[in-house]
Amino acid sequence: QSALTQPRSVSGSPGQSVTISCTGTSSDVGAYKYVSWYQQKPGKAPKLMIHDVDKRPSGVPDRFSGSKSGNTASLTISGLQAEDESDYYCCSYAGRYTWIFGAGTKLTVL
Amino acid sequence: QVQLEQSGAEVRKPGASVKVSCKASGYTFSAYAIHWVRQAPGQRLEWMGWINAENGNTKFSQKYQGRVTITRDTSASTAYMELSSLRSEDTAVYFCATGKIVALYMYAWGNGTTVIVSS
Repeated sequence: QSALTQPRSVSGSPGQSVTISCTGTSSDVGAYKYVSWYQQKPGKAPKLMIHDVDKRPSGVPDRFSGSKSGNTASLTISGLQAEDESDYYCCSYAGRYTWIFGAGTKLTVL
Repeated sequence: QVQLEQSGAEVRKPGASVKVSCKASGYTFSAYAIHWVRQAPGQRLEWMGWINAENGNTKFSQKYQGRVTITRDTSASTAYMELSSLRSEDTAVYFCATGKIVALYMYAWGNGTTVIVSS
């Protein structure tokens, strides 16, 4: 099972919006409403930012939002801040109690 | 609050096995699942497998099937991941993560355990 497809890198200036895509197949992203997004700073554990496609855990700023269309999920970060610079990974439930992660996207705040 | 404490770094020779522990606190252990996710240096996150802490059922990524064992000790609120027949490519940080059994995402993560495989 290869990774979900994410852009290698994205960038934006403070205050702008960026969107990170996550493309899978009809067996994972397209089949379930169970896409989650994780933020990972260098040398740290991942942190849950979005679950069930578009749900935000408490404590996550509402600048972070998620959506899905067909086999592609997206994470949008609006009002970019310097602290948002990080790696972002999508993850999809793939059925039969298995999960698959994306390749990861490095977000640079210019 | 939910916390996962992982065991310390390990160094193993090729062909050996390693067992990593993940002690949970701040929640009802048996109501949650524990996932194991690894990250090789500079690489992406990779889901390895999970255990339903309530009934002990496990499921693994096909990539690790036959080489990985995940167990739990409910009395100690601890889950374990054992990887056998280690090779240099298994050098990675191994994370445990938890989520409610009915919730199909990883809510909280441990800090990771570095495993180095080197002769």
